[in-house]
Amino acid sequence: DTEVTQTPKHLVMGMTNKKSLKCEQHMGHRAMYWYKQKAKKPPELMFVYSYEKLSINESVPSRFSPECPNSSLLNLHLHALQPEDSALYLCASSQVRQDTGELFFGEGSRLTVL
Amino acid sequence: KNQVEQSPQSLIILEGKNCTLQCNYTVSPFSNLRWYKQDTGRGPVSLTIMTFSENTKSNGRYTATLDADTKQSSLHITASQLSDSASYICVVSADTGRRALTFGSGTRLQVQP
Repeated sequence: DTEVTQTPKHLVMGMTNKKSLKCEQHMGHRAMYWYKQKAKKPPELMFVYSYEKLSINESVPSRFSPECPNSSLLNLHLHALQPEDSALYLCASSQVRQDTGELFFGEGSRLTVL
Repeated sequence: KNQVEQSPQSLIILEGKNCTLQCNYTVSPFSNLRWYKQDTGRGPVSLTIMTFSENTKSNGRYTATLDADTKQSSLHITASQLSDSASYICVVSADTGRRALTFGSGTRLQVQP
């Protein structure tokens, strides 16, 4: 079983809705990530948090707003999304933000924007 | 530009057979290469990690190889099982001091009874 927990597993929202995706890990990892994955494509990096500070934002539109309340939690706030934002959103964590560390992924949140 | 190419894109094999998946990369400077298994609708799970000095590493029925000279890696699956049906993603890490991962597009493996 994955040690990175994501909720909800499925989310359907309209373009005017505001919703949030949540991610939690209790492995003591200090780096957490959001990835977006479209069908039959590899995950694409969106954000990286290191020690609760945003360290990488891969030019993601402002309708996606990440938040890291503490070292165990990572949120992704969603507002005014477009249908093309429908995808599997994966949260991951690693011990620290380093290249050799293994990424531990959650099971993902399947988002559908109508 | 760092790139990771995987082949084949998809593969269908019969249960019990062996198969080999390929990964070619142009990531530089090279740090390590990981193979991940991703079941449909789930997050990827790491199978193996290969560093520059390693040629072969096994994890149960999975054996990964790395040729750092030709920048190629392979993942060999022995005696396939239905549960091996998944996407296999090759991820290469560059030694640049930040998390610089390059993902391959994956190979979708289907094991049929």
